[in-house]
Amino acid sequence: DVKVTQSSRYLVKRTGEKVFLECVQDMDHENMFWYRQDPGLGLRLIYFSYDVKMKEKGDIPEGYSVSREKKERFSLILESASTNQTSMYLCAWGSGYEQYFGPGTRLTVT
Amino acid sequence: GQSLEQPSEVTAVEGAIVQINCTYQTSGFYGLSWYQQHDGGAPTFLSYNALDGLEETGRFSSFLSRSDSYGYLLLQELQMKDSASYFCAAPNRDDKIIFGKGTRLHILP
Repeated sequence: DVKVTQSSRYLVKRTGEKVFLECVQDMDHENMFWYRQDPGLGLRLIYFSYDVKMKEKGDIPEGYSVSREKKERFSLILESASTNQTSMYLCAWGSGYEQYFGPGTRLTVT
Repeated sequence: GQSLEQPSEVTAVEGAIVQINCTYQTSGFYGLSWYQQHDGGAPTFLSYNALDGLEETGRFSSFLSRSDSYGYLLLQELQMKDSASYFCAAPNRDDKIIFGKGTRLHILP
């Protein structure tokens, strides 16, 4: 059974904190993605990675960075959390036409 | 640029058939995917159409017409558990996906 796990289901952080969201996939796949999902806006791509130590900006990378030190792990970093980063964060692996998502992390920044 | 348009909400009756449409504008087109997402859950992959025509998977079918820049997801014999949001999506040459904003399907008993 394919597994994508994310470090937390719910997270509450304060404005200005550095936040780490981790994602692990067990399919040995090269491609991994980070999205955020907001009501009325759908899924928006933040960053993606084709392989270890590789990263590409998505549509909304501002305020975020990523790390991919191992193939199975892709981390999203909020350098200084702000209230407008309150959202559902979804990690995925796969290709452009077929992706598999983790359960998501609902982050609240107060 | 790329954009995918789909209705924000659709309502149908249990046991009936419903069609969720998606029109797209893309600079390069490789195919159309569909995802289902239940409240509180993650999106799950349903289907992918690379070629024109109808692809059937059980009660769900997906259709693509490249000449019309249009596709749809067809759900038959609707069940209450089909109440969810449905997203169309299109990949680009960089293996990224652009998602539509989703269609919320309400099913009445």
